[in-house]
Amino acid sequence: SQTIHQWPATLVQPVGSPLSLECTVEGTSNPNLYWYRQAAGRGLQLLFYSVGIGQISSEVPQNLSASRPQDRQFILSSKKLLLSDSGFYLCAWSRPGYEQYFGPGTRLTVT
Amino acid sequence: GENVEQHPSTLSVQEGDSAVIKCTYSDSASNYFPWYKQELGKRPQLIIDIRSNVGEKKDQRIAVTLNKTAKHFSLHITETQPEDSAVYFCAASGHQAGTALIFGKGTTLSVSS
Repeated sequence: SQTIHQWPATLVQPVGSPLSLECTVEGTSNPNLYWYRQAAGRGLQLLFYSVGIGQISSEVPQNLSASRPQDRQFILSSKKLLLSDSGFYLCAWSRPGYEQYFGPGTRLTVT
Repeated sequence: GENVEQHPSTLSVQEGDSAVIKCTYSDSASNYFPWYKQELGKRPQLIIDIRSNVGEKKDQRIAVTLNKTAKHFSLHITETQPEDSAVYFCAASGHQAGTALIFGKGTTLSVSS
């Protein structure tokens, strides 16, 4: 069966510091991968999605970036965090044409 | 691109009552419509989905209906229980390779006993 992992689970970072969140999927190959952000009490904002290694589509221009160095690894990064970057970051995967499943999430607080 | 509107934003019902959440979408090419349930502090969980070649799908107490002509779909929960209390999200996509889900803003359902 497929499993999706995210780490860290929680993170507190000062404004202006860098960020690296990692997501990995087990039990499948060539998945579609997604990064979402959810602000407190708000909806799911799609940030990036990827259909293959090195292929990244950005939905929202901002100070975040994503990379997919391996087939089942998706990384979300920032060079300098803003207060507005605080939120619940969710990675998700799907097989093309099939259901999408979310990881456990990373709760980021920028202070 | 696709835009998904979801109503109501909050819904309070008594245990045993039915709850209905409605969504509309803008892209007539969308053909896949899932619903997710998110409990406080947890990840969204897929609870039911429907594809455009089906008008209705049911799974125990939950059902989803789709009206392609009007471009709207609805979630129906019957005999609600306190454990149904959560935030529910609808979504739509073309569900082709490289097409991401676009989510509604969510409905907070509260079921009181």
